[in-house]
Amino acid sequence: SQTIHQWPATLVQPVGSPLSLECTVEGTSNPNLYWYRQAAGRGLQLLFYSVGIGQISSEVPQNLSASRPQDRQFILSSKKLLLSDSGFYLCAWTVQNYGYTFGSGTRLTVV
Amino acid sequence: GEDVEQSLFLSVREGDSSVINCTYTDSSSTYLYWYKQEPGAGLQLLTYIFSNMDMKQDQRLTVLLNKKDKHLSLRIADTQTGDSAIYFCAETGGYQKVTFGTGTKLQVIP
Repeated sequence: SQTIHQWPATLVQPVGSPLSLECTVEGTSNPNLYWYRQAAGRGLQLLFYSVGIGQISSEVPQNLSASRPQDRQFILSSKKLLLSDSGFYLCAWTVQNYGYTFGSGTRLTVV
Repeated sequence: GEDVEQSLFLSVREGDSSVINCTYTDSSSTYLYWYKQEPGAGLQLLTYIFSNMDMKQDQRLTVLLNKKDKHLSLRIADTQTGDSAIYFCAETGGYQKVTFGTGTKLQVIP
């Protein structure tokens, strides 16, 4: 069966520190992978999506970046976190148009 | 760009029906979805409807689609306290990106 793993679940980082959030998918091949951010428990903002290894599309200019080193691995990074980077980060995947499957999320607090 | 709008809040009594509404702007939307998010958790796909359908029913959930008015609704029959969550409407016209609404927070009063 297909599963998606996202970690860590919570993270508190100081301003200016680096960030690395990882997402891996099991049980499927060549998924489309997505990073979303949800601020204040409300709307979802698409940050990045990837249709294949090394292929990253950025939706919103920011100090975050994404990489897809393997087919089922998607990484969200930052070299220097800002206070405004705080939020709930969700990884998701899809193979067909039957909806996304989301990870359990990472709550990032930048202090 | 594409836009999906929802009311922010809905309060219903336990046992009543809940109707959550959504409007979208992309006339090329192919699939429309409803997701549920419980506090502190990721989003769970509840149901989806293809754009050539008017209605889809799945147990207590009924999805209605008015493609002419670009209006989607989710009806939850016999609403329970466990249905309290944020419900997101979403649409896609293609297979790479999905646009989400702002979410409707459903509060079920015992």
